[in-house]
Amino acid sequence: KQEVTQIPAALSVPEGENLVLNCSFTDSAIYNLQWFRQDPGKGLTSLLLIQSSQREQTSGRLNASLDKSSGRSTLYIAASQPGDSATYLCAVYDGNNRLAFGKGNQVVVIP
Amino acid sequence: DTAVSQTPKYLVTQMGNDKSIKCEQNLGHDTMYWYKQDSKKFLKIMFSYNNKELIINETVPNRFSPKSPDKAHLNLHINSLELGDSAVYFCASSPLTGGTEAFFGQGTRLTVV
Repeated sequence: KQEVTQIPAALSVPEGENLVLNCSFTDSAIYNLQWFRQDPGKGLTSLLLIQSSQREQTSGRLNASLDKSSGRSTLYIAASQPGDSATYLCAVYDGNNRLAFGKGNQVVVIP
Repeated sequence: DTAVSQTPKYLVTQMGNDKSIKCEQNLGHDTMYWYKQDSKKFLKIMFSYNNKELIINETVPNRFSPKSPDKAHLNLHINSLELGDSAVYFCASSPLTGGTEAFFGQGTRLTVV
């Protein structure tokens, strides 16, 4: 059974610092890995999708890397802003019609 | 236009009642899901459907019954609601082919009193 762990569970950073969020998974046989953002009381917004054959994906200030063999992904957010405050969720797709989620990284960016 | 939409957004009901949550996606996706987010914010899959056929039923009590009238809709009916059913329920969809992006609805916050 796939287990996804996100570290740290919560972090606070001053505005302008780079954010580094870590995700690890136990079964490397994945199809893809997806990073989501969730604001309080809201739904999930897809940020980046990395296919199992890819090493990284970039969108604006966001960069996600994937090391499938070691079961790790990292989400980098450059030059953080207060608007980046949210919970970031990592999910892996196992090819069997399910996404396995981590418990999230709760981020607060301090102005 | 909203890609994955759920109704209602909030649902407060008494124990023992039966309620339904509706979900519709306009993305043309073949696969739809129901996920439950508990009080600790952990998301766990409940059901998965491919083209109206049930693929995954993840040890969910029989009181929960999904229904897919067509591949754009996946509704969740819950009988005899219990306090422990209070959670946020998310509908999602993705294309049938594995390895593609999943899209989520805004969630339905169910509170059983």
